[in-house]
Amino acid sequence: NAGVTQTPKFQVLKTGQSMTLQCAQDMNHNSMYWYRQDPGMGLRLIYYSASEGTTDKGEVPNGYNVSRLNKREFSLRLESAAPSQTSVYFCASREVGNSPLHFGNGTRLTVT
Amino acid sequence: RKEVEQDPGPFNVPEGATVAFNCTYSNSASQSFFWYRQDCRKEPKLLMSVYSSGNEDGRFTAQLNRASQYISLLIRDSKLSDSATYLCVVNNNNDMRFGAGTRLTVKP
Repeated sequence: NAGVTQTPKFQVLKTGQSMTLQCAQDMNHNSMYWYRQDPGMGLRLIYYSASEGTTDKGEVPNGYNVSRLNKREFSLRLESAAPSQTSVYFCASREVGNSPLHFGNGTRLTVT
Repeated sequence: RKEVEQDPGPFNVPEGATVAFNCTYSNSASQSFFWYRQDCRKEPKLLMSVYSSGNEDGRFTAQLNRASQYISLLIRDSKLSDSATYLCVVNNNNDMRFGAGTRLTVKP
């Protein structure tokens, strides 16, 4: 019963480096999401994929790209990391309609 | 104006107290609503969905007021273990937005 799996759990990058955060779900959900959470704040939506083959911007997409590789996997890429991207990143998935989000454990990213 | 707004608190209440949180949303076409609980440095976990007629789960009651565009969460007989951040979530055509969260501390 893995649910939503995110890798890595922790990452330290230098400014300008690139990396990809991986997310996979085994619940056969159609929709997948990437959020970031900064200290003392709620979750802000970066990008989402309502179904395989589609992606849409959320409220804070700048500096990020996403790929919905297949129904199970949704990756988030930082092409040139900046200190402002230091955050905790959560991936989530859900079924269609009025179903809730199911979250991974998060990735703690520090950009120095 | 943010799409989803919550009073950040903090709410500090004694054990046994009743506490209520509100969350307002800006898009009248929003389809579904949820309350999540988040413990420090953990992922959010679903507390309950919010149904149009209101719904209850033990000590927790959720209400939806579409006319005034807000949802509420009532916690009765607060326990120490209820200390957490409570987040509301609003769904608008698969775009799932969170409020900033309300911090609750229940004290002995």
